[in-house]
Amino acid sequence: AQKITQTQPGMFVQEKEAVTLDCTYDTSDPSYGLFWYKQPSSGEMIFLIYQGSYDQQNATEGRYSLNFQKARKSANLVISASQLGDSAMYFCAMRDPYSGGGADGLTFGKGTHLIIQP
Amino acid sequence: GAGVSQSPRYKVAKRGQDVALRCDPISGHVSLFWYQQALGQGPEFLTYFQNEAQLDKSGLPSDRFFAERPEGSVSTLKIQRTQQEDSAVYLCASSPLGDRSYEQYFGPGTRLTVT
Repeated sequence: AQKITQTQPGMFVQEKEAVTLDCTYDTSDPSYGLFWYKQPSSGEMIFLIYQGSYDQQNATEGRYSLNFQKARKSANLVISASQLGDSAMYFCAMRDPYSGGGADGLTFGKGTHLIIQP
Repeated sequence: GAGVSQSPRYKVAKRGQDVALRCDPISGHVSLFWYQQALGQGPEFLTYFQNEAQLDKSGLPSDRFFAERPEGSVSTLKIQRTQQEDSAVYLCASSPLGDRSYEQYFGPGTRLTVT
């Protein structure tokens, strides 16, 4: 069963607009962590933001925020004021003991290819 | 400071050859992970080390895949008798102890092409 679902294979957004990238997850464990990574064409995975399942507030890191809706098992990434350099693949990932990534490895979604247009 | 480095960046192997992929984690990082990323997919977990101990190898796809980290720093992923389906980018990541132990820092990857 797919543990992380990203339903948007690709998105085109105008520069300076806000972007929401969707992610839903599936786990039966009450303790888990959710992540977003950016992968530019160079290939390196860049950590953006983390949300723990017990965190009361939505995580924020600069222009990135995570819209965590626990009951819906949703962890959407919001990028405010998008920039041309935000064009990349974006992966949602989860860490839980039963997700197939081992106790500490991550399980990734298939990704969303975001293109920012001038 | 220096990030995670991997070598070689690109490797072409003929089917049946053995390959060895190297990962140098960030100095002092206790945890080390290997992932396999097929074209157009997200990375998939292969194996996990804490220091020199391989605590999880549940993601290794077959017994042709072997990983080691003998001194708790540099790690090598070895693939024996490579097959075409082994063609992928192999990513290494490391993470520290402490408050941000959840954060995995990835290297640039090794792109393996099996012909």
